[in-house]
Amino acid sequence: AIQMTQSPSSLSASVGDRVTITCRASQGIREDIGWYQQKPGKAPKLLIYTATSLQTAVPSRFSGSGSGTDFTLTISSLQPEDFATYYCLQVYTYPRTFGQGTRIEFK
Amino acid sequence: QVQLVESGGGLVQPGRSLRLSCAASGFKFYYYSFHWVRQAPGKGLEWVALTLHDGRNEFYADSVKGRFTVSRDASKDTVFLQMNSLRPEDTAVYYCASDLAPLSTSWPDYWGQGTLVTVSP
Repeated sequence: AIQMTQSPSSLSASVGDRVTITCRASQGIREDIGWYQQKPGKAPKLLIYTATSLQTAVPSRFSGSGSGTDFTLTISSLQPEDFATYYCLQVYTYPRTFGQGTRIEFK
Repeated sequence: QVQLVESGGGLVQPGRSLRLSCAASGFKFYYYSFHWVRQAPGKGLEWVALTLHDGRNEFYADSVKGRFTVSRDASKDTVFLQMNSLRPEDTAVYYCASDLAPLSTSWPDYWGQGTLVTVSP
């Protein structure tokens, strides 16, 4: 199975900060990656799919980039509602695999 | 309004079986693939299984292959996850999620509320 390695596992940030999360695939996955946000006790929410496509109603401060093995999720200006855990998901092959998650905490 | 409602979770002994259900409403069930994703307490997300929109193919995580079976009943707009030979490490909240778009097989998008499965003596 393809391994998805996310970094960092957690970070502390303030409102207004620019935040970048990285996901590295153990083999090339073209642009077959998505990003999810999860808040405590809630189901995940799809933010970005196919590396760069913003899901409907997701704020434009979220963006994705990358191809092949290295990918990033960027939040251009962190808002209070963005404090959550973020996961990448590869859909290049089966089984699908998530990264281990990145928790954004309030500094 | 899209809605997914999981049921069937609970406490079960190791080695026993459990069947989860996911009732869908508010969209055309037949055109959508469905994923099962689980989350152990305090841990990250783990993709578990996928049933394609046509019901002809299923895919599984290595950790559940041979023990879990995903199926669907179009007459009831319901997806199932049959879990056999359960282990303590299967303890998790299990989410059902429909895919992003008709005929797509990639992106869990609409999610249910989750159902807790606890495997313990």
